Amino acid sequence: KAGVTQTPRYLIKTRGQQVTLSCSPISGHRSVSWYQQTPGQGLQFLFEYFSETQRNKGNFPGRFSGRQFSNSRSEMNVSTLELGDSALYLCASSLGVASYNEQFFGPGTRLTVL
Amino acid sequence: DAKTTQPTSMDCAEGRAANLPCNHSTISGNEYVYWYRQIHSQGPQYIIHGLKNNETNEMASLIITEDRKSSTLILPHATLRDTAVYYCIVRVDGYGQNFVFGPGTRLSVLP
Repeated sequence: KAGVTQTPRYLIKTRGQQVTLSCSPISGHRSVSWYQQTPGQGLQFLFEYFSETQRNKGNFPGRFSGRQFSNSRSEMNVSTLELGDSALYLCASSLGVASYNEQFFGPGTRLTVL
Repeated sequence: DAKTTQPTSMDCAEGRAANLPCNHSTISGNEYVYWYRQIHSQGPQYIIHGLKNNETNEMASLIITEDRKSSTLILPHATLRDTAVYYCIVRVDGYGQNFVFGPGTRLSVLP
């Protein structure tokens, strides 16, 4: 079974631009979560989607948004990019949202904001 | 905030067992203990999780104390490829509960 895939793997943008990242979960998984990882803050939760609905949201500004499609694929968008948005963005999928469902992570998208 | 405390770093000789401790003294009865690891700049890899009983899979064993206030991840025969940051996470039972990652333990397996 194929793992979680994320596209693109690397991205360079300039301040003020916007960016859209894509995540395809493991087949059959209906929950997708997004995380941001930076050297200073570590791994931080952004949001979680299940059946096209946002179930949980981390403490990030409204410039960060996401959505999930009927095939469970998910996108996240960051508008008005800032230098501090440079990070590894990770997507994780799981069968469901119950606590006993382990999450499987993708390889991440490394975003650099210049 | 992360509900776990782990050593910042540990060393282990190749071929020996690596025992990674985790304290979760405020854990509730319905919280699961999860372990993930992250090899440099890759996505975290799921290792194992448990609620009350000890668990074993092809990668590792998870030993949870009877009072559930601490646990140990055991890699039985560490290899150089096990060098990574290991995260211990407690996750509240219920829906919509995200994973809260702490700084983890940087394990170095030495030849």
